[in-house]
Amino acid sequence: EVQLVESGGGLVQPGGSLRLSCTVSGFIFSTYETNWVRQAPGKGLEWVSYISGSGSTIYYADSVKGRFTISKDNAKNSLYLQMNSLRAEDTAVYYCARSVGNSFYYYSIDVWGKGTAVTVSS
Amino acid sequence: QSVLTQPPSASGTPGQRVTISCSGSSSNIGSNTVNWYQQLPGTAPKLLIYNDNQRPSGVPDRFSGSKSGTSASLAISGLQSEDEADYYCAAWDDSLNGAVFGGGTQVTVL
Repeated sequence: EVQLVESGGGLVQPGGSLRLSCTVSGFIFSTYETNWVRQAPGKGLEWVSYISGSGSTIYYADSVKGRFTISKDNAKNSLYLQMNSLRAEDTAVYYCARSVGNSFYYYSIDVWGKGTAVTVSS
Repeated sequence: QSVLTQPPSASGTPGQRVTISCSGSSSNIGSNTVNWYQQLPGTAPKLLIYNDNQRPSGVPDRFSGSKSGTSASLAISGLQSEDEADYYCAAWDDSLNGAVFGGGTQVTVL
């Protein structure tokens, strides 16, 4: 069974840092693209970042560029999101999500984790 | 303000057909395939439609997707109470180099 399990969420002060982790199982992690998608309380979904299977291609949403860093360790079947200079507007549930598609033309998130909550508040 | 535009709400009685629209631009829906996600209250999103009109295994054929130009639609026929959820459209955006989502449509079964 394909599974993605996030961890590392919590309460952090504005300007602080947090590192999210996502442990995957049930598929060959190195051959799949993965993403972070977030959802602020009572709001819609917002894509945050993408990393290719090898880790060679990375993209970020403008709202987090320069503050967040996505990375992965294929040997540990783990995806990470290092979040620095956190702001109140970064408060959200963060989902780890697998995407598929031979190209971005066919880009599709097919499996989601249950999410981990991040609250940025003093 | 979401890149893809959806109506905030839609509703229908059991058995009715409900349609949700999703409007984008040439750099997203006009260039790439559209996906639809269903999010039940308190749960993670679930893939409902991919490649504009394909259903993953296990998704009832009451759900169908279509696309024309820079707009897409999700139709739910034979509406059931368990279809009460938020629905999101999404696609890759070639100009932004990222995925974009609609703001979501809350479907209510009256």
